[in-house]
Amino acid sequence: KNQVEQSPQSLIILEGKNCTLQCNYTVSPFSNLRWYKQDTGRGPVSLTIMTFSENTKSNGRYTATLDADTKQSSLHITASQLSDSASYICVVSVYGGSQGNLIFGKGTKLSVKP
Amino acid sequence: SQTIHQWPATLVQPVGSPLSLECTVEGTSNPNLYWYRQAAGRGLQLLFYSVGIGQISSEVPQNLSASRPQDRQFILSSKKLLLSDSGFYLCAWKGPLNTEAFFGQGTRLTVV
Repeated sequence: KNQVEQSPQSLIILEGKNCTLQCNYTVSPFSNLRWYKQDTGRGPVSLTIMTFSENTKSNGRYTATLDADTKQSSLHITASQLSDSASYICVVSVYGGSQGNLIFGKGTKLSVKP
Repeated sequence: SQTIHQWPATLVQPVGSPLSLECTVEGTSNPNLYWYRQAAGRGLQLLFYSVGIGQISSEVPQNLSASRPQDRQFILSSKKLLLSDSGFYLCAWKGPLNTEAFFGQGTRLTVV
């Protein structure tokens, strides 16, 4: 069964600190993995997209890693800001198959406190 | 550039009333269109997707239906809402070559 598991479920950190969010998946065949940021009451917005051959990709203070062998990904946020408070969702695409082939994790809710 | 519009942003409806949520996409043609629901504390659940006009696929049995009367218009409907239909509904589109999915701003539906 295709699944995406994220941890932790929620996280509270102080402004300026770093944090790392985890995503484990059992999706086959794998196409790509995306990290989305979803502000409360808004639609998700893409942060990074990674294919099978990519190990690391950065987008400003966000750095995503992918280990296709262990089927794990992480999202590292550097020097957190209050505006980073949001839910971060890991989404894995199934290669081919039906058009409804995006497998979503339940997200990690990050709260950055001053 | 492509944009996606979803409305209304919030909606409070009594049990048993009908529902119609609309989503339109601009700046692209023949998009794949999706309706998702996000219950509190849970992940996004795919409800319907469409690869073309009049073509609707349902992922889960439910009290809702979807229609695509035009290429860039996707409508989520219900004849009689249930309390369990409350949630955050998101419309999304992506290109046919499995590119990134772009989401609308969402509709917060509360059934009372």
